[in-house]
Amino acid sequence: NAGVTQTPKFQVLKTGQSMTLQCAQDMNHNSMYWYRQDPGMGLRLIYYSASEGTTDKGEVPNGYNVSRLNKREFSLRLESAAPSQTSVYFCASSRDRDDGYTFGSGTRLTVV
Amino acid sequence: GEDVEQSLFLSVREGDSSVINCTYTDSSSTYLYWYKQEPGAGLQLLTYIFSNMDMKQDQRLTVLLNKKDKHLSLRIADTQTGDSAIYFCAESIRRGGATNKLIFGTGTLLAVQP
Repeated sequence: NAGVTQTPKFQVLKTGQSMTLQCAQDMNHNSMYWYRQDPGMGLRLIYYSASEGTTDKGEVPNGYNVSRLNKREFSLRLESAAPSQTSVYFCASSRDRDDGYTFGSGTRLTVV
Repeated sequence: GEDVEQSLFLSVREGDSSVINCTYTDSSSTYLYWYKQEPGAGLQLLTYIFSNMDMKQDQRLTVLLNKKDKHLSLRIADTQTGDSAIYFCAESIRRGGATNKLIFGTGTLLAVQP
C-alpha cells in the first residue's frame, strides 16, 4: 500500500518555465490537498479538492492551477514559475472531513 | 482569523519529558492534530484530540486541550533521540461543504541531546 505518491521528488526550473507536480493516492480517499512548506511559515494550503470534480482555493493559490483528474490523482501546475515559488510542495489526502491527512514525501522545487 | 502559533525550538536531554505548546484561534475547530516531520520526509500523523476532550494519552504521548484558552500541548515522556524532528500542531477548520481544511502552525523543532 503506497499511500500518497508524489513525483518528481526534486526539480529545478528556470524563471518562466512551466511544470506539473503529480500526486496519486491509493487509499480511496475523497479529499486531496496541496500545501507548500517554507522555513518559518509552516505549511500553507494552496488548493484542495473535496471530492472528484471539485477544486477550491486555499490560502496561497496565486500562480498555481490544479486538476482533480479522477479520484486518485490531483495535480498542481505552475504555468510560469517564479523564484518566490521555490519551496517544498506536499500533497495530502483524507477520507472524511475530520480525518487526519496522509501526506506524500514532498517535491523540492527550486526556481532560478 | 485562522492562525496557529508554536514556539520554534525546544531542546531537551534524552530521558526527560518534552512539552510542545500550541495556541489556535478558531473556536469552532472540531479536531486538533499533532504531526511529526523527520528530515527530508513528509508529515506523519502522531495523534489527535476531539474538541470536547481535555486529555488524550497514547503510550508516551499525552495531549492536553484547554478549549477556553485555545491552548494545545503535546507531552512526550522519556524523550529519545529518535524523537528529534519538527512537530506541527494543526486545527481543523470547517466552513461547510464536504471537507475540512487543516491550518498548520509554523512547527517546533525538537532537539534531543544524548
